[in-house]
Amino acid sequence: DTGVSQNPRHKITKRGQNVTFRCDPISEHNRLYWYRQTLGQGPEFLTYFQNEAQLEKSRLLSDRFSAERPKGSFSTLEIQRTEQGDSAMYLCASSVLVGLGGAFFGQGTRLTVV
Amino acid sequence: SQQGEEDPQALSIQEGENATMNCSYKTSINNLQWYRQNSGRGLVHLILIRSNEREKHSGRLRVTLDTSKKSSSLLITASRAADTASYFCATDAGSNYQLIWGAGTKLIIKP
Repeated sequence: DTGVSQNPRHKITKRGQNVTFRCDPISEHNRLYWYRQTLGQGPEFLTYFQNEAQLEKSRLLSDRFSAERPKGSFSTLEIQRTEQGDSAMYLCASSVLVGLGGAFFGQGTRLTVV
Repeated sequence: SQQGEEDPQALSIQEGENATMNCSYKTSINNLQWYRQNSGRGLVHLILIRSNEREKHSGRLRVTLDTSKKSSSLLITASRAADTASYFCATDAGSNYQLIWGAGTKLIIKP
């Protein structure tokens, strides 16, 4: 499978715990995006990387959130001290440099904070 | 914040009929993209239309773009049960090429 891969697919965690998600983009794509989606809404932009550089972060990305993309390959999104409001689907997407042909999305990681 | 607004929020039609969904946005854009999302396959890119294009076709899909009205429409012809999904428009409005999304149209195709 050469698409965007996200792990885990589902994560249930207790409030206050830390969680980390991983995204493996399509190998030749140098742009990588993280989005968050809640039920009945479209995705909300969180952050994006061009190669290993994190070029933009949304105001939604509080200081409890951190994302990395070491070596410009896979990316991780960590949420510290999770809150119930963090429950959502976290989507990763990758694309080539310019907005050509759209972005390719992974299946997402569904986070439930109990 | 979400830029796009899809209309209608939900649409239910008989298999074989055509489905039309609309999207309005607020700022100038580089391009507008339509995506489909269902539980089985996640978000899938359908079609991209650039700001200097007015109409684009891909198979049973037809997309129009009116930049003066800041609106776009997606037409699915000869609908099939497999077209049941939520459809989102996403706009690419800035130099960083992040996409800004609407809340989607939920399409149900009745057999």
